Amino acid sequence: DAGVIQSPRHEVTEMGQEVTLRCKPISGHDYLFWYRQTMMRGLELLIYFNNNVPIDDSGMPEDRFSAKMPNASFSTLKIQPSEPRDSAVYFCASSSGQNSNQPQHFGDGTRLSIL
Amino acid sequence: SQKIEQNSEALNIQEGKTATLTCNYTNYSPAYLQWYRQDPGRGPVFLLLIRENEKEKRKERLKVTFDTTLKQSLFHITASQPADSATYLCAGDNFNKFYFGSGTKLNVKP
Repeated sequence: DAGVIQSPRHEVTEMGQEVTLRCKPISGHDYLFWYRQTMMRGLELLIYFNNNVPIDDSGMPEDRFSAKMPNASFSTLKIQPSEPRDSAVYFCASSSGQNSNQPQHFGDGTRLSIL
Repeated sequence: SQKIEQNSEALNIQEGKTATLTCNYTNYSPAYLQWYRQDPGRGPVFLLLIRENEKEKRKERLKVTFDTTLKQSLFHITASQPADSATYLCAGDNFNKFYFGSGTKLNVKP
């Protein structure tokens, strides 16, 4: 089975531009998570969805960040306008069932560089 | 605030030895702890989950413990191999979401 698919794998753009990251979760999984990973702060949860509904967005750093899940097989994370401090690796993960006792399946991430 | 802490220094061991990685949690009590492996340029891969009422769990050469008194989990890899070299992440749950530690890099030398 295909795992979690993220695109693009790498993104380099200039400050102020809009950035859209995409994620296709594993079919049948009802939880979807967006994480950001940096050397300084490690892996941080930004937002998670259950059955396409955002449940907790307390990790979203500021209003420049937004996430949507229009259907069970697609989610986006958008940054507008982007800033150099947004440079990081962004991961999407999905899981099934009662989340706390289920493994999360991660994509291979999008490495974002804001110049 | 709730924290999951792992030793940020790399652990260097000789092939064949047992590697032991530590995960400590503070300011809350997770019901579950998960361990993941992350290779460079890849996403974390799930290895093991342990519940707070389980003292120990094993899977092949892997063993994880959960000590609620010490607020600590230990992750062991026995008979380590160079292919085990990676960063290992610990994660503690909090109402359907997880806090991750910053990971410990393991280097297994042949």
